[in-house]
Amino acid sequence: AQSVSQHNHHVILSEAASLELGCNYSYGGTVNLFWYVQYPGQHLQLLLKYFSGDPLVKGIKGFEAEFIKSKFSFNLRKPSVQWSDTAEYFCAVNRRDNYGQNFVFGPGTRLSVLP
Amino acid sequence: DAGVTQSPTHLIKTRGQHVTLRCSPISGHKSVSWYQQVLGQGPQFIFQYYEKEERGRGNFPDRFSARQFPNYSSELNVNALLLGDSALYLCASSWGGANTGELFFGEGSRLTVL
Repeated sequence: AQSVSQHNHHVILSEAASLELGCNYSYGGTVNLFWYVQYPGQHLQLLLKYFSGDPLVKGIKGFEAEFIKSKFSFNLRKPSVQWSDTAEYFCAVNRRDNYGQNFVFGPGTRLSVLP
Repeated sequence: DAGVTQSPTHLIKTRGQHVTLRCSPISGHKSVSWYQQVLGQGPQFIFQYYEKEERGRGNFPDRFSARQFPNYSSELNVNALLLGDSALYLCASSWGGANTGELFFGEGSRLTVL
């Protein structure tokens, strides 16, 4: 069965530090890839997505992610985090050969940014 | 613009009872999906409905059922509740039902089963 893993359960950074959150998926076919963010007390929001084309995608709030097909990875990066980036981050995958929208989510990485 | 709205936001039930959760998608969205998020885990797919028809079903028992109405709102029903059904139930909508869509989530209904 398809699965998504995220490398870190909890990451603690100081403001202005660089961020990289790892995401790997297990499916060998063509996939759509997503990063969602959940700020404290808020609903899940789309941060960025990859469907095809340039494997380096840019999202909101200065986030970017790189799709490396050979490594089945879609890591999230931000060069300089802010306190407001404190949130839970979820990587998600949807298989292209799915008839519908069966998104498989990773377990999430909690990011705490210290002021 | 109104986002995805879910009701109730919180509810407490006892084992063996039945629960109905409701979802209104973003205006113009025709697809509704349901996810279960257990504390400390990512959301897990339960159902997708598009144009009132079931488009996908996750690995959940038959105690879980759903439907979509002509106005594209949706209900998730869970019968014979178990302690393990305690979770945040998320509804997500999208314009189309295809696998290239992105999901827009509501804030969820938090179910506690005692």
